[in-house]
Amino acid sequence: DAGVIQSPRHEVTEMGQEVTLRCKPISGHNSLFWYRQTMMRGLELLIYFNNNVPIDDSGMPEDRFSAKMPNASFSTLKIQPSEPRDSAVYFCASSSRLADYEQYFGPGTRLTVT
Amino acid sequence: QKEVEQDPGPLSVPEGAIVSLNCTYSNSAFQYFMWYRQYSRKGPELLMYTYSSGNKEDGRFTAQVDKSSKYISLFIRDSQPSDSATYLCATSTGNAGNNRKLIWGLGTSLAVNP
Repeated sequence: DAGVIQSPRHEVTEMGQEVTLRCKPISGHNSLFWYRQTMMRGLELLIYFNNNVPIDDSGMPEDRFSAKMPNASFSTLKIQPSEPRDSAVYFCASSSRLADYEQYFGPGTRLTVT
Repeated sequence: QKEVEQDPGPLSVPEGAIVSLNCTYSNSAFQYFMWYRQYSRKGPELLMYTYSSGNKEDGRFTAQVDKSSKYISLFIRDSQPSDSATYLCATSTGNAGNNRKLIWGLGTSLAVNP
C-alpha cells in the first residue's frame, strides 16, 4: 500500500488566495483526520470524518476553513481566503475501525502564506 | 489546562544513555495511551500503545502508564542517534461509536549525540 497520499507537498501563496489541500487515505480505512501542526500549538485536530461523514469539526478555526470527503478515497481541506497566520504543516491521517488508536499520517503539506 | 501536558524540551543526551519521556493527563476516562515518533519533515508514526495501566516493552522501548497518578512514560534504553526525533504522547477514551479522536501532547524533541 502506498500509504496516505497528500498533495501538494509545498504550497506558497499570497494572502487572500484560495488554497486547496488534498488527501487520499489508505484503502479500507474508514476514518480520516485533518491536522495542523505549528511549533507553538503542536498538532491540532481540525476535523475528522467517519465513513465519509464529518463527525467533529470543532477544531476548524473559522469559516474560512472547510473540508469535504465526497467518497472513501478522497478528501479536501480548503482555506478561503488564506491569511499569513494559516502558515503551518497540514497533515492528513487515516485509521481503521479495528485499531482506531493507530493513525497513519501522510507526509504533510507545508503551507506558507505571504 | 490542556488535557495532555508534555514538556517540549529539547532534550539532548549522549549515545547509549537511558532516555525518559513523560506526559501527564487530566481525564480519568482515557484508556488508550500511545507514543508516536516524528522525524524531521515527516508525519508522526505509531511507536507503541498501551491499554489501561501497566508496562509494555518492545526492544529498547518501554511504555509505562500509571492511571492512579495520570502519568505516562516512555523509556529508551541504549539510545542511538537514529532515535533523534520528536516524541508525541496521545490518549483516547476508546469509546464505541464515532469517537475516534486522539488527544495529543505537544511533543518532546530528542537529540541523541554520537
